[in-house]
Amino acid sequence: AQKVTQAQTEISVVEKEDVTLDCVYETRDTTYYLFWYKQPPSGELVFLIRRNSFDEQNEISGRYSWNFQKSTSSFNFTITASQVVDSAVYFCAQQRAQGAQKLVFGQGTRLTINP
Amino acid sequence: NAGVTQTPKFRILKIGQSMTLQCTQDMNHNYMYWYRQDPGMGLKLIYYSVGAGITDKGEVPNGYNVSRSTTEDFPLRLELAAPSQTSVYFCASSSTTYEQYFGPGTRLTVT
Repeated sequence: AQKVTQAQTEISVVEKEDVTLDCVYETRDTTYYLFWYKQPPSGELVFLIRRNSFDEQNEISGRYSWNFQKSTSSFNFTITASQVVDSAVYFCAQQRAQGAQKLVFGQGTRLTINP
Repeated sequence: NAGVTQTPKFRILKIGQSMTLQCTQDMNHNYMYWYRQDPGMGLKLIYYSVGAGITDKGEVPNGYNVSRSTTEDFPLRLELAAPSQTSVYFCASSSTTYEQYFGPGTRLTVT
């Protein structure tokens, strides 16, 4: 069975600090996809990244970076030089490559960036 | 291109009432999903559909029903509303294994 664990329920940092959000997943599949979504205070879900299980290269997009390590079943998300606008709930999710493409979400990490 | 739209945005129901949450997508996606998000929790899958006429249960289907008569629409029906169904409901759609696009959500309160 699939499971996604985000052990950090809430994180609070001061603006311009770097912050890492942890995500650990469980699966028996060899092929799968991992995602990060952002849910700002307005409530919508914003797609951030999708990663194929065969691609372990780290990815950087501006101030955002993602570290995928298959050996530890982790897909961590780092925000560099955080800004107040980064305040949101962040969800990690996993999707099987075969079948009905259902997403299994972690419980989310509430990130607060203080000015 | 509106993406995924949901109506209504807010609704208050009395215990035992019924209602339908509407979801429409204009991206010609085959896959559609209904999730619920309880306070402080992640999203849980209620029902999903892989195409018109095909639906299946997710993790938390009890108390809900769905139908998919067209590619665009995927309504979620609540029969005999209960306080435990107070939640935010999200509809999503996707094309095969690409990312799911979410609607803005419906905040439902059952009292």
